[in-house]
Amino acid sequence: AQSVTQPDIHITVSEGASLELRCNYSYGATPYLFWYVQSPGQGLQLLLKYFSGDTLVQGIKGFEAEFKRSQSSFNLRKPSVHWSDAAEYFCAVGGQAGTALIFGKGTTLSVSS
Amino acid sequence: GAVVSQHPSWVICKSGTSVKIECRSLDFQATTMFWYRQFPKQSLMLMATSNEGSKATYEQGVEKDKFLINHASLTLSTLTVTSAHPEDSSFYICSASSDSNQPQHFGDGTRLSIL
Repeated sequence: AQSVTQPDIHITVSEGASLELRCNYSYGATPYLFWYVQSPGQGLQLLLKYFSGDTLVQGIKGFEAEFKRSQSSFNLRKPSVHWSDAAEYFCAVGGQAGTALIFGKGTTLSVSS
Repeated sequence: GAVVSQHPSWVICKSGTSVKIECRSLDFQATTMFWYRQFPKQSLMLMATSNEGSKATYEQGVEKDKFLINHASLTLSTLTVTSAHPEDSSFYICSASSDSNQPQHFGDGTRLSIL
């Protein structure tokens, strides 16, 4: 079955500390992987994507993610978290255009001062 | 960058009313559009896939007669919630895709509240 698992429902990180959000996927074809961020009541903003090539991808706002095929993982990282990073983060997997995305249940990030 | 506009952003209406939500790709042609539904503090669940000029493909458990989808042009898809009831209250988000080398672009969502 195709699925995305985000094991952490809620994470709290101190401002300035590093962050890692976990994502594992199960997908029958070549996966296209995404991380989106959602602020309350808002739509989704794409942070970064992996289609092919270099397994370490850089995104916006200082985020990066590493695709590890052997572990079926695509964890999101940021070396130093800012208070404005507090939001809901969704990992998603899909195929080529014309296929819908499968989303994880999301991880809520809180940032403490 | 590519922009998807979704309108309205928030609608409150009485039970039994039909509500139409529009999803427009502003600067690209969207061969495929997707409609998702998100319950509070939950993930996005795909409702249907819409291809321009053809009937939408609905996910299991989604009533096609209740959630009417029209994709009449390469830049516009509409979702009409017919005879809406309080249990239809939710956050509806559309996304649009142009080709295989580009990620889907999401609208800002529509918060639907049925009284």
